[in-house]
Amino acid sequence: DIQMTQSPSSLSASVGDRVTITCRASQTISSYLNWYQYKPGKAPKLLIYAASSLQSGVPSRFSGSGSGTDFTLTISSLQPEDFATYYCQQSYTTPVFGQGTKLEIK
Amino acid sequence: EVQLVESGGGLVQPGGSLRLSCAASGFTFSNYWMHWVRQTPGKGLVWVSRINSDGSNAIYADSVKGRFTIARDNAKNTLYLQMNSLRAEDTAVYYCAREVTYKSSWYLYRWLDPWGQGTLVTVSS
Repeated sequence: DIQMTQSPSSLSASVGDRVTITCRASQTISSYLNWYQYKPGKAPKLLIYAASSLQSGVPSRFSGSGSGTDFTLTISSLQPEDFATYYCQQSYTTPVFGQGTKLEIK
Repeated sequence: EVQLVESGGGLVQPGGSLRLSCAASGFTFSNYWMHWVRQTPGKGLVWVSRINSDGSNAIYADSVKGRFTIARDNAKNTLYLQMNSLRAEDTAVYYCAREVTYKSSWYLYRWLDPWGQGTLVTVSS
């Protein structure tokens, strides 16, 4: 089974900061990588699909990159509504999520 | 508006059963594969099961295989998850999600969008 490992597990940052979250697959998955935002009590929200394609309606401060085994999600300038937990998910085989990265206010 | 609404969660004793429903609207339900994913504070998002568009094929995570059954009624635009022999570790918020696919050259990309708001299942005596 493909394992997905995110780092860091948690991150403290301030409004306006640039933030990068990393996701590593245990084997190559080409560009079959998606990113989601999760807030308790709300539906998880798709941010990025196919490693680097921005979902319609998602602010352009979110961006994704990578291929093979190493991927990143970058938020260029944190806004108050961005404090949430972020998950990567591989779609090369049956879905597997990373363990999540909790982004907290510093 | 594309929408998924889950229902059927609640408190159940270990060994008990529960059936979750997911009502779909705003899109042609019968054209899409559908998934169940659960979320716990300790493990995050964990994929549970997937069913193809006509309901003829389903796959499950090892942790629920033989205990959970995914099904759909395309006439009612509804997805189901029958959960039997429930255990404490099945306690979670359960989400249904639509699978979207995009073909580009040799690649077939898949992602989950949208998701429902979730329904809480608590397994406890």
